[in-house]
Amino acid sequence: GQNIDQPTEMTATEGAIVQINCTYQTSGFNGLFWYQQHAGEAPTFLSYNVLDGLEEKGRFSSFLSRSKGYSYLLLKELQMKDSASYLCAVRDVIYNQGGKLIFGQGTELSVKP
Amino acid sequence: KAGVTQTPRYLIKTRGQQVTLSCSPISGHRSVSWYQQTPGQGLQFLFEYFSETQRNKGNFPGRFSGRQFSNSRSEMNVSTLELGDSALYLCASSVEGASGNTIYFGEGSWLTVV
Repeated sequence: GQNIDQPTEMTATEGAIVQINCTYQTSGFNGLFWYQQHAGEAPTFLSYNVLDGLEEKGRFSSFLSRSKGYSYLLLKELQMKDSASYLCAVRDVIYNQGGKLIFGQGTELSVKP
Repeated sequence: KAGVTQTPRYLIKTRGQQVTLSCSPISGHRSVSWYQQTPGQGLQFLFEYFSETQRNKGNFPGRFSGRQFSNSRSEMNVSTLELGDSALYLCASSVEGASGNTIYFGEGSWLTVV
């Protein structure tokens, strides 16, 4: 089956570091995406990993281990505006053509002063 | 560079009616996918189009359909609307379906069925 798990909610303090974990089991794999979604808005692309390792982009970093079916999103120097839902999504490839994103339920992050 | 554009942004329909939503992908993007987002089910894949062909389809009833035009613009249609179809409908575009490392979402169409 297709399954993506991430914590439902997390709380962190402004200026701190937070790590949001994601584990997945999918029939196919062609990359893992992280999106940020503020309430009432569309998801915004944050990162993409297709090979094992760490991808760093400013205050955000994303890590992937394909053998473990595991990824995390690391947010540094947290700001109040980082309060949002963070969505982990795996691109499942069918017959080597096209693909669909399978999403986790999202992690609601609350950043407190 | 313009982003993914969806119209209309908000609409209210009555049960039994039908609705058509439109999506214009980022220039140069040929793959367009549609997703439904509800509080209970999260984001769920509806279908994907590439070069005017439906390449993948999610587990939704036949009331949900779509198409893609030669200029890569896409429409989705929901017929015989039900209360449970109330959701945010999101369109996403990418350079290609199977490769390419970025998938961008539009702002979505908020559908309320009463």
